[in-house]
Amino acid sequence: DIQLTQSPSFLSASVGDRVTITCRASQGISSYLAWYQQKPGKAPELLIYAVSTLQSGVPSRFSGSGSGTEFTLTISSLQPEDFATYYCQQLIGYPITFGQGTRLEI
Amino acid sequence: EVQLVESGGGLVQPGGSLRLSCAASGFTFSDHYMDWVRQAPGKGLEWVGRTRNKANSYSTEYAASVNGRFTISRDDSKNSLSLQMNTLKTEDTAVYYCARSSSTRDFDSWGQGTLVTVSS
Repeated sequence: DIQLTQSPSFLSASVGDRVTITCRASQGISSYLAWYQQKPGKAPELLIYAVSTLQSGVPSRFSGSGSGTEFTLTISSLQPEDFATYYCQQLIGYPITFGQGTRLEI
Repeated sequence: EVQLVESGGGLVQPGGSLRLSCAASGFTFSDHYMDWVRQAPGKGLEWVGRTRNKANSYSTEYAASVNGRFTISRDDSKNSLSLQMNTLKTEDTAVYYCARSSSTRDFDSWGQGTLVTVSS
């Protein structure tokens, strides 16, 4: 199985900050990497797919980059609604796996 | 508007069975792969399994933790996805989400989830 390790697991930040979350894969996953945002009590929502493509409706302050085994999600200027948990996901093979999550708090 | 609505969750004893359903609307259901994902209380996301579309023979994939106990099926005529869960264990307690797989295979729409509690 492909393991995804996110860092940090917990991040404290302020409105207006620039934050970066890293996702490392245990083996190369090409561009089969997606990011999701989940707020408490809600279903996850797709933010970015194929490493760097923003899902329709997602604000441009979100961006994704990376290749091979190391990927990043960056939020350029945190807004109050961005405080949530973020998950990366690999889709190159089965089982599909998620990172353990990064909880972003004020 | 894409909508996915899960139902069928509840309390079941260890060793019991439960069937979850996901009603889809707002898109051509038959074109899409569909997935189940679960989330244990306070934990992260765990992929459960996938059913491909008719063009791919409705073939399925499962996580090792549920393989042989859970079965995913679909009825394209009813725009419906199902998850039959047998021999349930306490560690199967979770919110279960159905999700639509996009053309790039990520999960671009999710239901609101249904809670399954396995406890005596």
